Amino acid sequence: DAGVTQSPTHLIKTRGQQVTLRCSPKSGHDTVSWYQQALGQGPQFIFQYYEEEERQRGNFPDRFSGHQFPNYSSELNVNALLLGDSALYLCASSVRRTSGTDTQYFGPGTRLTVL
Amino acid sequence: EDQVTQSPEALRLQEGESSSLNCSYTVSGLRGLFWYRQDPGKGPEFLFTLYSAGEEKEKERLKATLTKKESFLHITAPKPEDSATYLCAVQGYSSASKIIFGSGTRLSIRP
Repeated sequence: DAGVTQSPTHLIKTRGQQVTLRCSPKSGHDTVSWYQQALGQGPQFIFQYYEEEERQRGNFPDRFSGHQFPNYSSELNVNALLLGDSALYLCASSVRRTSGTDTQYFGPGTRLTVL
Repeated sequence: EDQVTQSPEALRLQEGESSSLNCSYTVSGLRGLFWYRQDPGKGPEFLFTLYSAGEEKEKERLKATLTKKESFLHITAPKPEDSATYLCAVQGYSSASKIIFGSGTRLSIRP
């Protein structure tokens, strides 16, 4: 059973460029969440997608956008890259629950470096 | 606002020396508290979910406990391969699906 997969593994961009990161959830999962993790910090919630819609968003500017496809995979897009966007970007998948909690399982991450 | 504070920031132990990591949290209605392990440059690996005060869960040398304000991750007779950053996170009813992470505890086990 494949876990959460992300691509690419590493990416180098320059300021002002745009980037797209991709995520495939764990088999049987229908919800994808994206996080940004700066060096030495815990992951910060960017947004969550369920049923192809953005359901919740953290404190990130509109330069960060996403998409979820019918097969539950997801993309994270970042426009007008800034040096401060350099980080490890993590995708997590889960099963949507109306009660209780939804444990999230993480992928290996994409390391983005902005020069 | 939901908050998570982990201590200590870093902990160095000798192989076999047991200890505990602390996670203090503030949340308006706890849906779940999570512990993850993260190796350098990799994604967090799920360890435990705790739902209510008094609950305990164990896995190999790790045991997680939960009170109304704190969670502890006890590590018994650690081995060098237990070296990693341990992350605590909470999900509250007011924040829906959003999970709030602490900054983690970097654990180093010397042989």
